[in-house]
Amino acid sequence: GENVEQHPSTLSVQEGDSAVIKCTYSDSASNYFPWYKQELGKGPQLIIDIRSNVGEKKDQRIAVTLNKTAKHFSLHITETQPEDSAVYFCAASWATDSWGKLQFGAGTQVVVTP
Amino acid sequence: GAVVSQHPSRVICKSGTSVKIECRSLDFQATTMFWYRQFPKQSLMLMATSNEGSKATYEQGVEKDKFLINHASLTLSTLTVTSAHPEDSSFYICSALPETNAYEQYFGPGTRLTVT
Repeated sequence: GENVEQHPSTLSVQEGDSAVIKCTYSDSASNYFPWYKQELGKGPQLIIDIRSNVGEKKDQRIAVTLNKTAKHFSLHITETQPEDSAVYFCAASWATDSWGKLQFGAGTQVVVTP
Repeated sequence: GAVVSQHPSRVICKSGTSVKIECRSLDFQATTMFWYRQFPKQSLMLMATSNEGSKATYEQGVEKDKFLINHASLTLSTLTVTSAHPEDSSFYICSALPETNAYEQYFGPGTRLTVT
């Protein structure tokens, strides 16, 4: 089955700096890679996603890059703000099979200090 | 946007009793819903996949007789924790996959279960 590794486990950044979280996956059949933000006591919220036919996607301060050859994808947050503090999870899925089951990474605790 | 609700948000029950958690897709129909559990400071662990009108598929190591899942309609799935024990205390989260989109899962706000 799919295995997703995520690094780092914790990330502290100064407000205004950039944050980068990296994930690797094992199954080359995976074709969908979402990123979720989870605040304490709440469910995960989809913040951006990318499909395997795209190398990069950007939405305001958030971007995701995908390297299919190396089987890794990354989340980039620019101009970080205190409200970006949360746990971020990457995930991988093979939507054409297994009803789109997601395999999650272990999560990254991001702390943005003013 | 696509909204998924869960009820209750928090529940405390005594050991040996059963608890039902509801997951509803409010503005879309979902042929597939997923149930996860999450322990403190850990990732989400998939428990089972439920498809409307059919039996749920459980992940390895998840007791199907203990965690009963029913997906009776395109907008409602329920998880019943039977004969709950303190080790079942956890954060339970559902997600729903719209029938019009094979990719994006929308997550509920979670249910905090505490078994005393």
